[in-house]
Amino acid sequence: EIVLTQSPGTLSLSPGERATLSCRASQSVSSSYLAWYQQKPGQAPRLLIYGASSRATGIPDRFSGSGSGTDFTLTISRLEPEDFAVYYCQQYGSSPQLTFGGGTKVEIK
Amino acid sequence: EVQLVESGGGLVQPGRSLRLSCAASGFTFDDYAMHWVRQAPGKGLEWVSGISWNSGSIGYADSVKGRFTISRDNAKNSLYLQMNSLRAEDTALYYCAKDLSAVAGTFFDYWGQGTLVTVSS
Repeated sequence: EIVLTQSPGTLSLSPGERATLSCRASQSVSSSYLAWYQQKPGQAPRLLIYGASSRATGIPDRFSGSGSGTDFTLTISRLEPEDFAVYYCQQYGSSPQLTFGGGTKVEIK
Repeated sequence: EVQLVESGGGLVQPGRSLRLSCAASGFTFDDYAMHWVRQAPGKGLEWVSGISWNSGSIGYADSVKGRFTISRDNAKNSLYLQMNSLRAEDTALYYCAKDLSAVAGTFFDYWGQGTLVTVSS
């Protein structure tokens, strides 16, 4: 099983700042099969990024994903008030066994 | 509009069983794999199980293997999760999620709002 470790656990930033979230895999994720989700309190997760760097439909271009192998990054270029949430990475390179990271909370400083 | 509506959650005693359902609409159900993902109170996401479009490929997390059974009825546009021998650690909000692909597990482009399962005596 591929274990995903997200860091930091909590990121305290102000609106307008840049957020950089990390997701590290215990072994290489084949073909960059990595996705990112956003979850707000009381809501289901929302797909942001798939294939490590492709934005899902309707996702603003301030969200970008990068990385390959074992190291992946989600960047939010300028935080908007609605971006404060919890973010999860998920790998699908070892399908059918799918795994999520533990999440990074982006909170208002 | 894609809609996934879960039902069947509730309070159940340890060791008992529960069956969750997910009613899908707004897309061609039998074109896609489907999954169950759970979230314990205040915790992160955990993939539970997935099933391909024709039920030919099924996978389970180690934590539920041998106790949970996923199934689907394409004629009814429905996904199910039979949960047996429930434990306190199975307490969670259970989400139904649609896969991007038909065959194996990839990622989840649509999610339901979840149904809460509480295992307690």
